[in-house]
Amino acid sequence: QQQVKQSPQSLIVQKGGISIINCAYENTAFDYFPWYQQFPGKGPALLIAIRPDVSEKKEGRFTISFNKSAKQFSLHIMDSQPGDSATYFCAASRGWGSARQLTFGSGTQLTVLP
Amino acid sequence: DTEVTQTPKHLVMGMTNKKSLKCEQHMGHRAMYWYKQKAKKPPELMFVYSYEKLSINESVPSRFSPECPNSSLLNLHLHALQPEDSALYLCASSAPLSSYNSPLHFGNGTRLTVT
Repeated sequence: QQQVKQSPQSLIVQKGGISIINCAYENTAFDYFPWYQQFPGKGPALLIAIRPDVSEKKEGRFTISFNKSAKQFSLHIMDSQPGDSATYFCAASRGWGSARQLTFGSGTQLTVLP
Repeated sequence: DTEVTQTPKHLVMGMTNKKSLKCEQHMGHRAMYWYKQKAKKPPELMFVYSYEKLSINESVPSRFSPECPNSSLLNLHLHALQPEDSALYLCASSAPLSSYNSPLHFGNGTRLTVT
């Protein structure tokens, strides 16, 4: 029930195209769903996040779509750029005492071709 | 640059060495975390400190010893490591839970190689 399933494992998109990464979760106790972007040699950086009472959140070229009934959420990257080439992790979070428990998906390696 | 600073960036150590990793944040966060990340894998939780007290130890071997001297600092002491412990060690912090949806902020990690 703690697992977050992420697909695809790798994704190749042409410059200007749309990149779509999907995630699914089981545990309804999760109350926050962040996406992290990680470049080689760097730590994961928070990209965008959504609460389960919201169906969509957009920040620039990045959009999260959230389907609470299906327990699925996805990241859409519009007008993908070579600089977006990185590993993307979806995650699901819930409170753990005064800290946060974060369950990561397995990651998607995105390559945007010039 | 991230607001969570980790030093050193790279560390090579022998199996008999003792070394320490350091993490610092000045965002007023009261929860701090150590994660371990192997290549092409998601980060795996090791330890959680909440208000300077160890609250979660994910069955980590005793050759890894965390320490939280104050609310801004987190250390990870390493002793008698194995080559399979080579990985990227990430520190993260988050605001108190009263801050709604307090995300984890990660540092850029320490790349550890055990020879």
